[in-house]
Amino acid sequence: GQSLEQPSEVTAVEGAIVQINCTYQTSGFYGLSWYQQHDGGAPTFLSYNALDGLEETGRFSSFLSRSDSYGYLLLQELQMKDSASYFCAVRSSNTGKLIFGQGTTLQVKP
Amino acid sequence: GAVVSQHPSWVICKSGTSVKIECRSLDFQATTMFWYRQFPKQSLMLMATSNEGSKATYEQGVEKDKFLINHASLTLSTLTVTSAHPEDSSFYICSATQFGSTPGELFFGEGSRLTVL
Repeated sequence: GQSLEQPSEVTAVEGAIVQINCTYQTSGFYGLSWYQQHDGGAPTFLSYNALDGLEETGRFSSFLSRSDSYGYLLLQELQMKDSASYFCAVRSSNTGKLIFGQGTTLQVKP
Repeated sequence: GAVVSQHPSWVICKSGTSVKIECRSLDFQATTMFWYRQFPKQSLMLMATSNEGSKATYEQGVEKDKFLINHASLTLSTLTVTSAHPEDSSFYICSATQFGSTPGELFFGEGSRLTVL
């Protein structure tokens, strides 16, 4: 079977740093993606890691350890608009399809 | 960036009727599209992979006779929910990959919220 685990909720204050972890167990692995989804909206792509290490894109960074089947999304200098759900997703085949985790609801407080 | 559009955004129908949702890639050709379903506060569950010119590949547990997928052209895939029932009420969202984009990047449509009365 395939499973992805991430915390259900995280709360942080404006300006802080928050890390959202994701562990996965899948039959195939090509890479780990992260998506943001605001209530009622479509998911938007944040980052993708195919190899071990850290990828940085502005305030967001994503890390992957293939040997540990583990990754995380790091959000820095939190802003109120970052309040949303964040999903990790495994690219489990070369067809491009993604298997999503359950999502982490991030609440940013003033 | 690549734009994917879905129609309709909202649809309400009576139990037993069929509903068709369209997914279009507006500025690129999509040989493969993916259909997901999302219940409130839950994850995106992959329903099927839609392949242009061939049959869709359904995920385990998804009834292919109930959720008909047609990918007749490189820019259009349709999902038809046949004989809809209240338990089919959900947020249906399509996505596509674009040749040359980041491997793990899917371009999502706006989603279609289906309510079955």
